[in-house]
Amino acid sequence: NAGVTQTPKFRVLKTGQSMTLLCAQDMNHEYMYWYRQDPGMGLRLIHYSVGEGTTAKGEVPDGYNVSRLKKQNFLLGLESAAPSQTSVYFCASTTRIGGETQYFGPGTRLLVL
Amino acid sequence: GQNIDQPTEMTATEGAIVQINCTYQTSGFNGLFWYQQHAGEAPTFLSYNVLDGLEEKGRFSSFLSRSKGYSYLLLKELQMKDSASYLCAVRFTGGFKTIFGAGTRLFVKA
Repeated sequence: NAGVTQTPKFRVLKTGQSMTLLCAQDMNHEYMYWYRQDPGMGLRLIHYSVGEGTTAKGEVPDGYNVSRLKKQNFLLGLESAAPSQTSVYFCASTTRIGGETQYFGPGTRLLVL
Repeated sequence: GQNIDQPTEMTATEGAIVQINCTYQTSGFNGLFWYQQHAGEAPTFLSYNVLDGLEEKGRFSSFLSRSKGYSYLLLKELQMKDSASYLCAVRFTGGFKTIFGAGTRLFVKA
């Protein structure tokens, strides 16, 4: 049982490049979330999903797209990376029933030059 | 609107008690989380309050007053390893959307 995993752990991009961050969970959780965390700030919700095939916008969705084609995976895409997207990205998941705990992945550090 | 406030930094002495406050203004409130986050690591779950009152878990306790939009995290018998950021987060009804405060950095000194 790996919990929540994120791929990659670290990435450097040039402005304008695209990439996809992968989040996978093996706990059969319905809800999944993508957050970004910048220095001195809390986590800000980018997008979230309440089930396979459904996604919704969070606090800071601009510049990002997401997909939930499989229940266990939640992908975060950057179509044209900008320096403002330099951040640490965390994925989290929780159950629909109860769901008192959000389980977080280890994070992906992204640097956009 | 959604506004979650907590102090930026706090300092306390090893062995002491510290209270970290969190106030929020939200609609569709479902519950309130407290997370601990050490530098460079992911947040780890501490507590989740849905109803008013105090919940105790070992050295950590969390209090919620929904009518006042107020919560606090109480840490007793502070240890050096408690030096970390403490994040207050509010969950909303419908989809469990969760919004975080900016976090409180706690420094525990000897």
